Amino acid sequence: EAQVTQNPRYLITVTGKKLTVTCSQNMNHEYMSWYRQDPGLGLRQIYYSMNVEVTDKGDVPEGYKVSRKEKRNFPLILESPSPNQTSLYFCASRARYGNMETQYFGPGTRLLVL
Amino acid sequence: SQQGEEDPQALSIQEGENATMNCSYKTSINNLQWYRQNSGRGLVHLILIRSNEREKHSGRLRVTLDTSKKSSSLLITASRAADTASYFCATDAGSGYSTLTFGKGTMLLVSP
Repeated sequence: EAQVTQNPRYLITVTGKKLTVTCSQNMNHEYMSWYRQDPGLGLRQIYYSMNVEVTDKGDVPEGYKVSRKEKRNFPLILESPSPNQTSLYFCASRARYGNMETQYFGPGTRLLVL
Repeated sequence: SQQGEEDPQALSIQEGENATMNCSYKTSINNLQWYRQNSGRGLVHLILIRSNEREKHSGRLRVTLDTSKKSSSLLITASRAADTASYFCATDAGSGYSTLTFGKGTMLLVSP
């Protein structure tokens, strides 16, 4: 089954304690991205990756890092989380078939930073 | 930066009625996509319309695109309680692996 998986699904942590949210897709997609979703703000892109070892900042990259060492994985790293990073996070991947693009989303990771 | 803006922010209707949501955007696009999100869950792709298309259908969904007005609409006909969700439009502004930019969404409530 084609899917994007994220772990953990729920996480409560404290300010300053480094954490990593993993993302994996099994569709051999080249493009992957991370979004955060906050009430009243919709989805905002944090980082994206066009291929292995190629990453770039989205709209709200501050306080986040990513890596793309393998095609299937795109972890999101919070080196020193702060309360304003409390949010719902989504990983997504997509393929490109001519002019048709469909983005597949993971189930989300709900993060609370105390 | 937010490209698509949905209208209305929230919509409440009765089962069997039609629901129409609108999306406006600012720059030229390659395609526009609509997604659905059930509470707290991941987004699910519904339909994609290319910039050279004006209308597209998928089951009870009808999407229109007016590039001159930079706007799109999503019509759900004969709505059901199970259609209750948030709906987002997303614009793809370029060629290659460009960024999809999402609006803030319309929350649809369909009452039995």
